[in-house]
Amino acid sequence: EPEVTQTPSHQVTQMGQEVILRCVPISNHLYFYWYRQILGQKVEFLVSFYNNEISEKSEIFDDQFSVERPDGSNFTLKIRSTKLEDSAMYFCASSILPLAGADGNTGELFFGEGSRLTVL
Amino acid sequence: AQTVTQSQPEMSVQEAETVTLSCTYDTSESDYYLFWYKQPPSRQMILVIRQEAYKQQNATENRFSVNFQKAAKSFSLKISDSQLGDAAMYFCAYITGNTPLVFGKGTRLSVIA
Repeated sequence: EPEVTQTPSHQVTQMGQEVILRCVPISNHLYFYWYRQILGQKVEFLVSFYNNEISEKSEIFDDQFSVERPDGSNFTLKIRSTKLEDSAMYFCASSILPLAGADGNTGELFFGEGSRLTVL
Repeated sequence: AQTVTQSQPEMSVQEAETVTLSCTYDTSESDYYLFWYKQPPSRQMILVIRQEAYKQQNATENRFSVNFQKAAKSFSLKISDSQLGDAAMYFCAYITGNTPLVFGKGTRLSVIA
């Protein structure tokens, strides 16, 4: 069964360092997302990506964050200069349709297992 | 702001029994979708069940069913005949055409053999 894969599963980094989290969405999916979950907190939306551009982003997704789909298969999240508060589980997700389609057709969101980022 | 509230951080159920996880949400939209996701330990989140707000009939998927009360903005998940494999974190979530998917904080369900 196709699935979303994420690497690394766990990364430890020093504050101020750049981090790239990688995701391989399901191959025929068109909509891509990053979410994060700080320990003990709710899962929070970061960004959605469609047709090679950001379609929506949250307040969390500031200038330190960027996303890229460099080669048609990978979908990366970069944090330029990590802060302690960036420590969290980062989930990539993809869907073949938009989640809340105007025509009533909704896509199912498929999540990866997550990448745990620890900033020291 | 749209919010999703899961008031039960932890729940437990005996194997083969029924358990209900509660979820309330706050929205001014009339068209939206509600979801329950399951996250087993060290595994990815998977969709359990989905409900369209315009549908009055409660969604069901095998042992999983919802009690959708639109006026009360309540969306509870009932798990019947609980199994050990049902042990997981359960997240309630909500989306409209104008907002991204918003999650609750989750309810950790333990199943006791």
